[in-house]
Amino acid sequence: DGGITQSPKYLFRKEGQNVTLSCEQNLNHDAMYWYRQDPGQGLRLIYYSQIVNDFQKGDIAEGYSVSREKKESFPLTVTSAQKNPTAFYLCATSDIDEQFFGPGTRLTVL
Amino acid sequence: GESVGLHLPTLSVQEGDNSIINCAYSNSASDYFIWYKQESGKGPQFIIDIRSNMDKRQGQRVTVLLNKTVKHLSLQIAATQPGDSAVYFCAENRGGGADGLTFGKGTHLIIQP
Repeated sequence: DGGITQSPKYLFRKEGQNVTLSCEQNLNHDAMYWYRQDPGQGLRLIYYSQIVNDFQKGDIAEGYSVSREKKESFPLTVTSAQKNPTAFYLCATSDIDEQFFGPGTRLTVL
Repeated sequence: GESVGLHLPTLSVQEGDNSIINCAYSNSASDYFIWYKQESGKGPQFIIDIRSNMDKRQGQRVTVLLNKTVKHLSLQIAATQPGDSAVYFCAENRGGGADGLTFGKGTHLIIQP
């Protein structure tokens, strides 16, 4: 997992509530990413940021929002507009091409 | 749809045998490919990568082969060990630069004693 921290490891949320997942890195990488993984599936890109104060939508951005106010931090908010938010969420950073992943946060909607 | 995939969902091999995990991609413009290993409940770990100007790259007990003609990628693991049991994903860069990766669905490698 290197220098990427995701918290919390497990998160429970009631339907209709927004929740924010934390991702912090000390690798000094410019680019950061959020992926979602469903059981038995590969990772799908939600949002990414190539530099501070800038971010781009990935393939499944609807119902999610992000911010990138600091190089070290890239929090992801799962809003009530996300219809099926239960999943494993992975944050990554990259140095040129290779991506390094955090340990993940498992979100369950009750 | 996904541009990386086409794989066996589960591959079972005997301990000590060699394993070959396959992946196909559809984006001819992809120029960078990575294999990741993911253990249950953890984030993916980098195994090996290859650029499109190469056909083969070797690491410790692992080899990646790239066939650009048929857009096929494979991961070979030599002398598999119990610790190799995991899900293996291939991934390709989405458009160059830092635009993120596109992942296949993965292959679950099971090592039989």
